[in-house]
Amino acid sequence: KAGVTQTPRYLIKTRGQQVTLSCSPISGHRSVSWYQQTPGQGLQFLFEYFSETQRNKGNFPGRFSGRQFSNSRSEMNVSTLELGDSALYLCASSLPGVNTEAFFGQGTRLTVV
Amino acid sequence: KQEVTQIPAALSVPEGENLVLNCSFTDSAIYNLQWFRQDPGKGLTSLLLIQSSQREQTSGRLNASLDKSSGRSTLYIAASQPGDSATYLCAVTMDSNYQLIWGAGTKLIIKP
Repeated sequence: KAGVTQTPRYLIKTRGQQVTLSCSPISGHRSVSWYQQTPGQGLQFLFEYFSETQRNKGNFPGRFSGRQFSNSRSEMNVSTLELGDSALYLCASSLPGVNTEAFFGQGTRLTVV
Repeated sequence: KQEVTQIPAALSVPEGENLVLNCSFTDSAIYNLQWFRQDPGKGLTSLLLIQSSQREQTSGRLNASLDKSSGRSTLYIAASQPGDSATYLCAVTMDSNYQLIWGAGTKLIIKP
């Protein structure tokens, strides 16, 4: 079965611009989480959605936002990009419940110049 | 606040050796612990998930153990191969807050 699909794979943006990243979860998975990975901070939780509702949010500024659609696909948006937003953004999907495996996409590599 | 630590940060061993990677956490009130591998520039591949009520899980040459009371987990890799070279990360889920809290990873190099 198809895995988690993230698009685009690579992005280069200019400071001050905004960006939207997309994540299509595994069929049947209704929970989608987003993580930021940087060399300095490692993996950090951004937010988690289930059935179009944000259930949890990490410690990121309001410039980072997300949403989930009725088909469980999710998008995250970063406005007013800063150089420090350059990172690998990873999306994970899982079945409902807390004791379920998280399956990750290949990530979107965002470079802010 | 939960903190997850992985030691060592890097490990290089000859092919064929059995090896153990370590993961420790400060708060034992976890729901589960997962081990992942990450190849350079790639996403994360789930290896094993251990629920808080379990002591170990096995998949092929991999065996993960969990000791909640001491806040430790180990990932045992038997008969290592060059294809096992990757960064291995552990992550815990706390209660029902639906987020993974990550260690910094152990970069493993298996020398042919």
